[in-house]
Amino acid sequence: DVKVTQSSRYLVKRTGEKVFLECVQDMDHENMFWYRQDPGLGLRLIYFSYDVKMKEKGDIPEGYSVSREKKERFSLILESASTNQTSMYLCASRQGGYGYTFGSGTRLTVV
Amino acid sequence: AQRVTQPEKLLSVFKGAPVELKCNYSYSGSPELFWYVQYSRQRLQLLLRHISRESIKGFTADLNKGETSFHLKKPFAQEEDSAMYYCAPSPSNTGKLIFGQGTTLQVKP
Repeated sequence: DVKVTQSSRYLVKRTGEKVFLECVQDMDHENMFWYRQDPGLGLRLIYFSYDVKMKEKGDIPEGYSVSREKKERFSLILESASTNQTSMYLCASRQGGYGYTFGSGTRLTVV
Repeated sequence: AQRVTQPEKLLSVFKGAPVELKCNYSYSGSPELFWYVQYSRQRLQLLLRHISRESIKGFTADLNKGETSFHLKKPFAQEEDSAMYYCAPSPSNTGKLIFGQGTTLQVKP
């Protein structure tokens, strides 16, 4: 019954590394989103995409980029990981006016 | 500035007590309004959306357009309601959800 899958549950990366976080949904949703979740700050939108090859910046896009080559897959890229990017990353998809379906999250630690 | 505020970081009640988790928003137009819940070690899931007027797990949410609030309520809290709750308006025609800071509900036995 899992509909949004994030490839890694836990990741540990070194400062300066290029990091790829993958998200796949099997519901044929057009809209996909990447958030980071930090205690006391809630969820903050990094990037989102309304369709294949389309992307929009969210509230905190600095240091991140995204790729959406296929409708079902939305990748978040940390160009050069830094310690302040240590966080829980959540992917979600949405169709029309319904709410989001979330993945289980990737906890990234940058050392 | 457009934002959503959940003023309580932690709300602690005893089992059987009423619960109200507050949410205030400042968006123009008529945003869609949602509440999400995250139980321990589980993914975020939709609790309810205003437009459907559903009651899920005994929770309801009242929209007050005058006060721009969308508080979540339950008359009798259960221990299994202990979780993190997020209020999330979706500004008109954006498709995005903007999340509040979240409120941890702790229901004591």
